[in-house]
Amino acid sequence: EADIYQTPRYLVIGTGKKITLECSQTMGHDKMYWYQQDPGMELHLIHYSYGVNSTEKGDLSSESTVSRIRTEHFPLTLESARPSHTSQYLCASSLPGQGNEQFFGPGTRLTVL
Amino acid sequence: GENVEQHPSTLSVQEGDSAVIKCTYSDSASNYFPWYKQELGKRPQLIIDIRSNVGEKKDQRIAVTLNKTAKHFSLHITETQPEDSAVYFCAASKGSNYKLTFGKGTLLTVNP
Repeated sequence: EADIYQTPRYLVIGTGKKITLECSQTMGHDKMYWYQQDPGMELHLIHYSYGVNSTEKGDLSSESTVSRIRTEHFPLTLESARPSHTSQYLCASSLPGQGNEQFFGPGTRLTVL
Repeated sequence: GENVEQHPSTLSVQEGDSAVIKCTYSDSASNYFPWYKQELGKRPQLIIDIRSNVGEKKDQRIAVTLNKTAKHFSLHITETQPEDSAVYFCAASKGSNYKLTFGKGTLLTVNP
């Protein structure tokens, strides 16, 4: 089934750990995005990609990094997690062509102790 | 860059009443205006969108209006139901080669 997937859904880790949040989509979308969102709050764009080997920083400064080696895969990495990174991370992808309808993944809720 | 302001931040209505959420945008080149609904603990989902070549679009109980001159657009929900309770986000974009700029969201509560 065509969808956008994120793993893990929940992650609790200690300070200083390196983590990678996975995002994959099976819809053939070129564009992918990472948002940071505290529950029910504003969506902050932290990274986006318009295709393979293309990555850009978003509107909110983030210590995370991303890569786009394959069209369907857009992982986000934190080299050294801190409690300030505790949040929900939402991945999204969008259709090519007119407009910019974005489809969101289910999110990863990260807690850093 | 684009700036999208959304009001109100919270809205409480009685079941059956109408709800209106308003957004303004700053970039006159923006031409795509989607609305997303995010239920508690769920992902945002597109509920309706409008492009700059039309002034109004309806889908059952929801409608969106666009005033390009004033650079604002609104979401209208009629005959509200408890399941309409959610956070609603507006957004604006200059097209498929540009990212979406989101408003800060409106928490809508429909009281039975």
